[in-house]
Amino acid sequence: GENVEQHPSTLSVQEGDSAVIKCTYSDSASNYFPWYKQELGKRPQLIIDIRSNVGEKKDQRIAVTLNKTAKHFSLHITETQPEDSAVYFCAARRGTGGFKTIFGAGTRLFVKA
Amino acid sequence: DTGVSQNPRHKITKRGQNVTFRCDPISEHNRLYWYRQTLGQGPEFLTYFQNEAQLEKSRLLSDRFSAERPKGSFSTLEIQRTEQGDSAMYLCASSLGEGGPYEQYFGPGTRLTVT
Repeated sequence: GENVEQHPSTLSVQEGDSAVIKCTYSDSASNYFPWYKQELGKRPQLIIDIRSNVGEKKDQRIAVTLNKTAKHFSLHITETQPEDSAVYFCAARRGTGGFKTIFGAGTRLFVKA
Repeated sequence: DTGVSQNPRHKITKRGQNVTFRCDPISEHNRLYWYRQTLGQGPEFLTYFQNEAQLEKSRLLSDRFSAERPKGSFSTLEIQRTEQGDSAMYLCASSLGEGGPYEQYFGPGTRLTVT
């Protein structure tokens, strides 16, 4: 069945360093890959997304890359700040045949000041 | 507040009781999704509506679970004969419809505790 694997489950970095979170997906029909940030006790919020016709997308300190052949996609956060500390979820979704979104298990990011 | 709202925010119930949760999506959104999230996990898809039609349902949604969106606006999720394993955060999300894919906006969730 559909599955999204996310690594690492926990990531601790020093303020100013970069953080990389990696995901793999199993459903080759997936064509939309959003990333969500969830702070403690709050709802998930979209921070960036990428569609399958694009290999890379950047928004200020955040970038996402997609390798459709390998079914890998990654989130890169540069110049990390303490307020980046949160749980980050990757997800994968088909564009046709349904709109079910499959989430990874999450990465807890700690940014140490 | 023009975002997705959910009620109640917290619900404590005894095993075997029925519970119902409500989700009010963003007004112009015709797609509505229900997810369940347990501690340390990502949201798990439960079901999805386009307007009033329930188009997809996860195998996670047992016969004890039912969802409705009678007028294509708010939605309810009912759990009958609750079990301790139903304890979780139930999240609702909504998005625009035709074309897309569009961003899903999440509500604050309803935390269910079954004792």
